Amino acid sequence: RKEVEQDPGPFNVPEGATVAFNCTYSNSASQSFFWYRQDCRKEPKLLMSVYSSGNEDGRFTAQLNRASQYISLLIRDSKLSDSATYLCVVNQRDSNYQLIWGAGTKLIIKP
Amino acid sequence: EAQVTQNPRYLITVTGKKLTVTCSQNMNHEYMSWYRQDPGLGLRQIYYSMNVEVTDKGDVPEGYKVSRKEKRNFPLILESPSPNQTSLYFCASSFYGSTQFFGPGTRLTVL
Repeated sequence: RKEVEQDPGPFNVPEGATVAFNCTYSNSASQSFFWYRQDCRKEPKLLMSVYSSGNEDGRFTAQLNRASQYISLLIRDSKLSDSATYLCVVNQRDSNYQLIWGAGTKLIIKP
Repeated sequence: EAQVTQNPRYLITVTGKKLTVTCSQNMNHEYMSWYRQDPGLGLRQIYYSMNVEVTDKGDVPEGYKVSRKEKRNFPLILESPSPNQTSLYFCASSFYGSTQFFGPGTRLTVL
């Protein structure tokens, strides 16, 4: 079993719709959680950190469920510019702060 | 401007010809890391460095070397490249346990 798992997609979603991704992690000692966004052939960029109480940034909402060991990302009112691959990342302090990366979920927003 | 730079951005080489990909950051980050990204596999860590003169293997270190003589630089060395090292390479840096900033990537082709 992979340490961080994501549905690879692609998710084909009409513009304006709401879309949600889940990501599961296997190490219960995981400390920090992030969502990154990666455009085709570009470097990953931080989208948002994920806090225990959940957090929102504009149209994006991230949630953490430690009991079930998953994090989620919700995108409301999706835009064409949201088309990208979304990477789930987990930080494990007991392994020298090594970040464990999911393989990513590809999102395609259609007009 | 805070950034991570990598050079070269694109490189085509032949099997066995030693090469170095440079990485430099200007954010005084202690932690630096090299990843490779292949289709369907996501980001895989090659080597990382917790600080000057401190380096350690990631998940896929075979065929690679690194050095960290200065805080800002973390070059990746392929002593004898092989075709299975054809990939997209990213350098990243961060403070411990914090979000990582990525360089723009180096697309390497080994013939």
